[in-house]
Amino acid sequence: QKEVEQNSGPLSVPEGAIASLNCTYSDRGSQSFFWYRQYSGKSPELIMSIYSNGDKEDGRFTAQLNKASQYVSLLIRDSQPSDSATYLCAVNGFSGGYNKLIFGAGTRLAVHP
Amino acid sequence: KAGVTQTPRYLIKTRGQQVTLSCSPISGHRSVSWYQQTPGQGLQFLFEYFSETQRNKGNFPGRFSGRQFSNSRSEMNVSTLELGDSALYLCASSPEGDGTDTQYFGPGTRLTVL
Repeated sequence: QKEVEQNSGPLSVPEGAIASLNCTYSDRGSQSFFWYRQYSGKSPELIMSIYSNGDKEDGRFTAQLNKASQYVSLLIRDSQPSDSATYLCAVNGFSGGYNKLIFGAGTRLAVHP
Repeated sequence: KAGVTQTPRYLIKTRGQQVTLSCSPISGHRSVSWYQQTPGQGLQFLFEYFSETQRNKGNFPGRFSGRQFSNSRSEMNVSTLELGDSALYLCASSPEGDGTDTQYFGPGTRLTVL
């Protein structure tokens, strides 16, 4: 079992729709969870971080964390073509050591006009 | 604040050579982590430095090494390059590296091994 799993996609949604991205992780000791966005040929940029169970909202983005189910998700409301990118779920492998981000393979999101 | 910077941005080497990549973290950040990104393996953790000490290391051969200087700048070195080392090498910095910090990535160095 991979440590962090994501559907590779592509996830195709129409402009203005809600995009839902999901991620599961295996290390129950994980403390910190991050969503990064990566455009082709660029480096990852942080979208959201979440540390506690529940929802965290920032503009059009909502991160959801359920530690019991070892599940993290990212909702993008009012999706725009500029949101088309690969979304990487990252978990801080706390039990494996400091600052060791474990990444999923990423989900490609395509928002079509 | 200026972001994480990495030099060089692009590098072409041949098998058997060695290479040194450089990373300057965000001012005030003391933790620097290195990652390798390839199409096949995705983003993989290489190692993390804090206060000039390597605190954690990923599952890479000993050909991959690094160091951190007193000003928090970091370098990584790959010796005896192999074709499979062709990748985007990313450096990320965070303030204290306590496990909850956000890591901010630099633009990366794209290494091509011929």
